[in-house]
Amino acid sequence: DIQMTQSPSTLSASVGDRVTITCRASQSISSWLAWYQQKPGKAPKLLIYKASSLESGVPSRFSGSGSGTEFTLTISSLQPDDFATYYCQQYSTYPRTFGQGTKVEIK
Amino acid sequence: QITLKESGPTLVKPTQTLTLTCTFSGFSLSTSGVGVGWIRQPPGEALEWFALIFWDDDKRYSPSLKSRLTITKDTSKNQVVLTMTNMDPVDTATYYCAHLSKWSSRGDSFDFWGQGTMVTVSS
Repeated sequence: DIQMTQSPSTLSASVGDRVTITCRASQSISSWLAWYQQKPGKAPKLLIYKASSLESGVPSRFSGSGSGTEFTLTISSLQPDDFATYYCQQYSTYPRTFGQGTKVEIK
Repeated sequence: QITLKESGPTLVKPTQTLTLTCTFSGFSLSTSGVGVGWIRQPPGEALEWFALIFWDDDKRYSPSLKSRLTITKDTSKNQVVLTMTNMDPVDTATYYCAHLSKWSSRGDSFDFWGQGTMVTVSS
């Protein structure tokens, strides 16, 4: 199985901060990576697919980059609605695997 | 628009079989490239993918759960049914179904999700 490792596990930040979350794959997944946002009690929401493509309707302050084994999700200016948990997921091979999540908290 | 909704029991006893149904609208599971997957999330923990069925009846399972799982589709009812045998308290989780479309730009990412259904395994 491909292991997906996110860092940090928790991130404390203020509104307006630039935030970066890293996701590392245990082997190359090319660009077959998605990022999801999940709020408490809600289903995950697709933000980014194919490592860097922004899902329709997602604010442009979200961006993704990377390929191979190293990926990042960046929020250019953190907004109150962005406090949530973020997951990466590889869809290069089976079984599909998710990272352990990064919780973005209010500082 | 695409919607999905999970249904099934909220409480099952250890060793029992869980049957969950994902009822969807806004797409057809007979359309080339379309798939419906199942993902679960134990309380306070991360997401775990474990099953997927495609329009052509290709089925994929997590190796760790494969022996316990069966996924089927009923195209006429717009439903996907998942059965998981021999339930254990560690299977307590919120269970989600989600849509994907292989031939879209999003590929195999899950672009639409159901609201989830919480299943507790306890005697």
